[in-house]
Formats: sequence, C-alpha cells, structure tokens
Amino acid sequence: DAGVTQSPTHLIKTRGQQVTLRCSPKSGHDTVSWYQQALGQGPQFIFQYYEEEERQRGNFPDRFSGHQFPNYSSELNVNALLLGDSALYLCASSEDRDSMDVPEAFFGQGTRLTVV
Amino acid sequence: AQKITQTQPGMFVQEKEAVTLDCTYDTSDPSYGLFWYKQPSSGEMIFLIYQGSYDQQNATEGRYSLNFQKARKSANLVISASQLGDSAMYFCAMRESTGGFKTIFGAGTRLFVKA
Repeated sequence: DAGVTQSPTHLIKTRGQQVTLRCSPKSGHDTVSWYQQALGQGPQFIFQYYEEEERQRGNFPDRFSGHQFPNYSSELNVNALLLGDSALYLCASSEDRDSMDVPEAFFGQGTRLTVV
Repeated sequence: AQKITQTQPGMFVQEKEAVTLDCTYDTSDPSYGLFWYKQPSSGEMIFLIYQGSYDQQNATEGRYSLNFQKARKSANLVISASQLGDSAMYFCAMRESTGGFKTIFGAGTRLFVKA
C-alpha cells in the first residue's frame, strides 16, 4: 500500500511564475493538508481540504490556493512566486475525524521548491 | 508569542544512551493534543508519540516516552537506548480544540547520535 505520494520531488521556478504541486493521499484517506517548511524551521499549516473544499486555512496570502479532486488527491497552486516561497512543501493525509487527538500520521516526502 | 518552543537547535548523544529533547508550549485552551515527529533527511514527517491534555499518565511508544508536565507546559521527548538511525530532526507539535484541524510545529531539534 503506497503511502502519501507527492510530485514533483524538486522544482526550480523563476520569480513571478506560477507552480502546481500534487499530492496523492494514502489509500482510504479523504482529508489532505498542506504545509510549508522553510529551511531551518518547522512546517507551517497552509490549508486543509475535505470533500473537495478548503475547510481551514492558515496565515497565507491568496496567492496560495488549492484543489481537491473526487479521488481525494490534491493540488497546491502558488501564483506570482516570490523568493521567500522557496521551501519544502509537505502534504499530509488523514481520515476525517473531529478529534484533536488524532495526529496527522502520514506525510509525503515533500516537494522542494526553489524560486530564483 | 511562540506556541511551541524548542530551545535546543542541536543535541549530541552517544549510541545506546538516553536523550531528552525539550519542548514547551503555550495555550489557553484547556483541551489540546501534543505530538512529536521525526524528520530524517528524506523529508517526510514520521509520527512518534501523542499526549492528550487530559491524559493522567505519560505516553510511551517503544523507546519513546513523553515527559508531560502540564503545570509547567512542557512535553519533553525521551529516547532511550539511542541508535544511529535516530539521527534526524525532531519536531514538537500541538493541536488545540479551538484551533480546528491545523497542527502547530516548533522549530525543531537536530539530534546527532555518535557511534
């Protein structure tokens, strides 16, 4: 059983460009969260998707948007890239449960985005 | 204010010895969950252990235990019998009942296990 898979693994983009990152959740999972991890920092929550809708959003500008498909896979889109968007982007999948004691236990290996 | 504080940027431990990674947190929510994750150089976050704010006993999972001191708002991770494969970044994280579905992470501690 494949876990969470993300593509591509590495990406180099130029300032001002747009980028799309992809995530396939673990089999049986219906919820996808996206995190940005800048170098030397912990991950920061971008948003979470459930039932094809953005359920919760962190403190990120509207340049960051996403989508969830009927098969639960998800995309993260970033427009008008800035140098500061360079980071590791992590996707986490889980089953929907209304409980804070359920950890996000399954993460992908991330997409390393470099903006030049 | 920082919600999760990890004051040790790097730690060294001798193989087979125990090591404690520090974590303090800040919340006014009476109901919350605390987590520790390991991040090897491959990048993925590996969930290690969970502690609920109402749990009376400290959580344990194999060689991992969480030293939960609620009044001091600390949730230190103890790794016993360190192995070379334990070398990685370790993140303390929290979910609050009022925070919805987001997990808040600390800045991490890099652990180096020496042979």
